[in-house]
Amino acid sequence: AQTVTQSQPEMSVQEAETVTLSCTYDTSENNYYLFWYKQPPSRQMILVIRQEAYKQQNATENRFSVNFQKAAKSFSLKISDSQLGDTAMYFCPPKLVFGKGTKLTVNP
Amino acid sequence: DAGVIQSPRHEVTEMGQEVTLRCKPISGHDYLFWYRQTMMRGLELLIYFNNNVPIDDSGMPEDRFSAKMPNASFSTLKIQPSEPRDSAVYFCASSKGQGHTGELFFGEGSRLTVL
Repeated sequence: AQTVTQSQPEMSVQEAETVTLSCTYDTSENNYYLFWYKQPPSRQMILVIRQEAYKQQNATENRFSVNFQKAAKSFSLKISDSQLGDTAMYFCPPKLVFGKGTKLTVNP
Repeated sequence: DAGVIQSPRHEVTEMGQEVTLRCKPISGHDYLFWYRQTMMRGLELLIYFNNNVPIDDSGMPEDRFSAKMPNASFSTLKIQPSEPRDSAVYFCASSKGQGHTGELFFGEGSRLTVL
C-alpha cells in the first residue's frame, strides 16, 4: 500500500520569504512519479511540480523546487519568494494517495 | 479546452435521501477517479476507472455508495441512503495514461451537506 506523511499540518511564512514543506512516502514500486499539488481556497486542485523517480536531478518550476531523496523516500517542496497567492493546501501524493496535506499561509 | 466538469457544485439534502453526483472527464482521458475530502480524513480515493471499467473500489466506504461509468464521457457517484457523515466535498479527476504517472486533472468539486 502507498502511504504519505506530511508532518506539518499547518505552516506560515512572510511574503517574499522562503518556505520548505516536507513529505515522506512509502512505495514498493521502483519506477514512479511524485507530484506536488496546490489547492487554494477556491478548491481547484492544481499541479505545482512533478518529479520522475529515476531522474536524479531535482525538478524546478520557477519559484518552486523539490529536494528528492529517493533512498530516504523524501520529497520536500521549496517555495522561494513566497507570494500571497501561494496560500493554499499542498499535497504530495505517491501514486493516488493524497492524505491531509499541509496548509500554508503566506502573510503580508 | 474544457476541464473536468462536475455537477452539482452544491447539494443540500436530508438524511435518507438519494444523492447523485455527476462528472464529465476531459475528452481523451482514459482514467477517472472519485475522491472525497473532509477535514478529518483529508482527500481520500474512493474508486477509479480505466476505460470505463472499475479498477479499484476499495476506498468506497460502504454499500450505500456506488459509482458507474456507462461511457467514456460520463460517470456518477450515488449515495443511497445518505447520512450526515457523508457531508464532504466530492472531487472527480481524470488523467491520460497510467494514473500514477500522469497528472490528475480535477473538477471543482461537489459540496454535499446532509442534514
